[in-house]
Amino acid sequence: DGGITQSPKYLFRKEGQNVTLSCEQNLNHDAMYWYRQDPGQGLRLIYYSQIVNDFQKGDIAEGYSVSREKKESFPLTVTSAQKNPTAFYLCARGEGDYGYTFGSGTRLTVV
Amino acid sequence: QKEVEQDPGPLSVPEGAIVSLNCTYSNSAFQYFMWYRQYSRKGPELLMYTYSSGNKEDGRFTAQVDKSSKYISLFIRDSQPSDSATYLCAITSGYSTLTFGKGTMLLVSP
Repeated sequence: DGGITQSPKYLFRKEGQNVTLSCEQNLNHDAMYWYRQDPGQGLRLIYYSQIVNDFQKGDIAEGYSVSREKKESFPLTVTSAQKNPTAFYLCARGEGDYGYTFGSGTRLTVV
Repeated sequence: QKEVEQDPGPLSVPEGAIVSLNCTYSNSAFQYFMWYRQYSRKGPELLMYTYSSGNKEDGRFTAQVDKSSKYISLFIRDSQPSDSATYLCAITSGYSTLTFGKGTMLLVSP
């Protein structure tokens, strides 16, 4: 998994529910990112964090929240305020000037 | 004008063909250029990395950057069915998050 683990692989959410997606990395990197991927939309940045206890909104942060209490963990909560949460969610860690390493993704479906 | 433009495809080629994938960008501050390959239902993986202008070759893959035209390319020689995937370009100035193209779907038929 390249040192970055996302879980679960598949997740189902009922209307009005909050759900949390897990992202863990074991290489002590500072920067971590959350992206959403929809067909034909490419990758859209939700939140990112460059350091523990600090994070910034990306392009589509509304309806999402994150925390960064530990360097190795960057969980994403999809809240009930996100009206169209069905998508493929990707977590990544930064590799300095060499881009990102992505996890294997979580597919979230509203039921 | 979007920061990074990439034709979504799909691009269909026969096995053994030379494939050319391209992106254009608008921000002249960009200087780190990457190509990612993404198989269906998987996370993207870094395929090629280039700093500034020029060419870089790795096996059957060649990445090319033309900063004067704000144009980057990925060439795949002797394409294989296993190359069938979505290819995303990604660019950064080094002081910002990566900006991704929307990806081009490539289909290589046996």
